[in-house]
Amino acid sequence: GAGVSQSPSNKVTEKGKDVELRCDPISGHTALYWYRQSLGQGLEFLIYFQGNSAPDKSGLPSDRFSAERTGGSVSTLTIQRTQQEDSAVYLCASSFPETQYFGPGTRLLVL
Amino acid sequence: AQTVTQSQPEMSVQEAETVTLSCTYDTSENNYYLFWYKQPPSRQMILVIRQEAYKQQNATENRFSVNFQKAAKSFSLKISDSQLGDTAMYFCAFRGPNAGNMLTFGGGTRLMVKP
Repeated sequence: GAGVSQSPSNKVTEKGKDVELRCDPISGHTALYWYRQSLGQGLEFLIYFQGNSAPDKSGLPSDRFSAERTGGSVSTLTIQRTQQEDSAVYLCASSFPETQYFGPGTRLLVL
Repeated sequence: AQTVTQSQPEMSVQEAETVTLSCTYDTSENNYYLFWYKQPPSRQMILVIRQEAYKQQNATENRFSVNFQKAAKSFSLKISDSQLGDTAMYFCAFRGPNAGNMLTFGGGTRLMVKP
């Protein structure tokens, strides 16, 4: 079956612009996670969605970051007014029940 | 809060040899899950093996096996008969017992398999 997919694969943007990153989880997986992988910080949790429950946003680094999950499936991570320190690989994972399966990530470069 | 430590930033092994990657963690939980993920240059994070803390038996997946020492909070990965395709970053990860618990990752070990 299909795994977790993410788009775009790579994104280059200018400082101050907004970006949207998309994640399509494995069908039937109710839990979805976003992580950020950067050189200086390693792998960091950003946000977690479970079904129709309110998301756990405890890992979001600033109010410029937001995410939504529509219909319990596809999720979009939005970064407003991007900064150079936002450059990283953004990984999405879905799980059922406790093992997380990752997508290929989106590499974001903010110039 | 949980922490995960991988003390070997880089390791190398000859093809067909055996290598062990170390991982220690700190938690006050009794039930939890531990994982090893592999990240090749393609950057796709691939699950290698998982261990439930309540199971005493060490997990095994083909050439990959773990040595889980719960009292010592140690979770090492042994790769037998190393292959060139095993070259990758390896991350140890901890997950708590509750639904929605996120993964806490170690800093990773870069493994190079030499021909």
